[in-house]
Amino acid sequence: DAGVIQSPRHEVTEMGQEVTLRCKPISGHNSLFWYRQTMMRGLELLIYFNNNVPIDDSGMPEDRFSAKMPNASFSTLKIQPSEPRDSAVYFCASSPGGGNTIYFGEGSWLTVV
Amino acid sequence: GENVEQHPSTLSVQEGDSAVIKCTYSDSASNYFPWYKQELGKGPQLIIDIRSNVGEKKDQRIAVTLNKTAKHFSLHITETQPEDSAVYFCAASDGGSQGNLIFGKGTKLSVKP
Repeated sequence: DAGVIQSPRHEVTEMGQEVTLRCKPISGHNSLFWYRQTMMRGLELLIYFNNNVPIDDSGMPEDRFSAKMPNASFSTLKIQPSEPRDSAVYFCASSPGGGNTIYFGEGSWLTVV
Repeated sequence: GENVEQHPSTLSVQEGDSAVIKCTYSDSASNYFPWYKQELGKGPQLIIDIRSNVGEKKDQRIAVTLNKTAKHFSLHITETQPEDSAVYFCAASDGGSQGNLIFGKGTKLSVKP
């Protein structure tokens, strides 16, 4: 299996622009997670889905952030408008669910200038 | 909700020595405790995990111990090698969720040749 696939791997954008991060989970996994990693706050859960349904979005910083999972093999995390404080590494992860291991992608490195 | 504390935040050892990283958790309903290794520029990778019905688990040079009564678990790396240098994260399952993990802040391990 190719693992969790994220794109883009790196993005530099100007403040105010829309950013869309994409994720393809491992086939057969029914839970999908979006995490943000910064030096100051470590790994933070933003939102997670179970069977394509958002279960907990309490970690989403504010209304500028939105996430969708239109089908079992694709999810997006959108930031609109982006701000410099959104600069971080965003990880997508997936799991078979039911308290099993979470597998991470390689991350999307976002810089907002 | 679950809270995970991890210590130390940085650890430097000489090649061949042992390294120990400790974590505590707060939710007695947590039953799954994985450890991840994150190398520079990559996503966290699972290295070992333990469930609450087991007190210790070993995999070659890596071992994890769990004390449910005290709500703490530890990672032990023996005969450390320079390639063990990375950031290590502990995590605990969120007892009230459908498979989410709560992560510690990470330990940066440096193994000096």
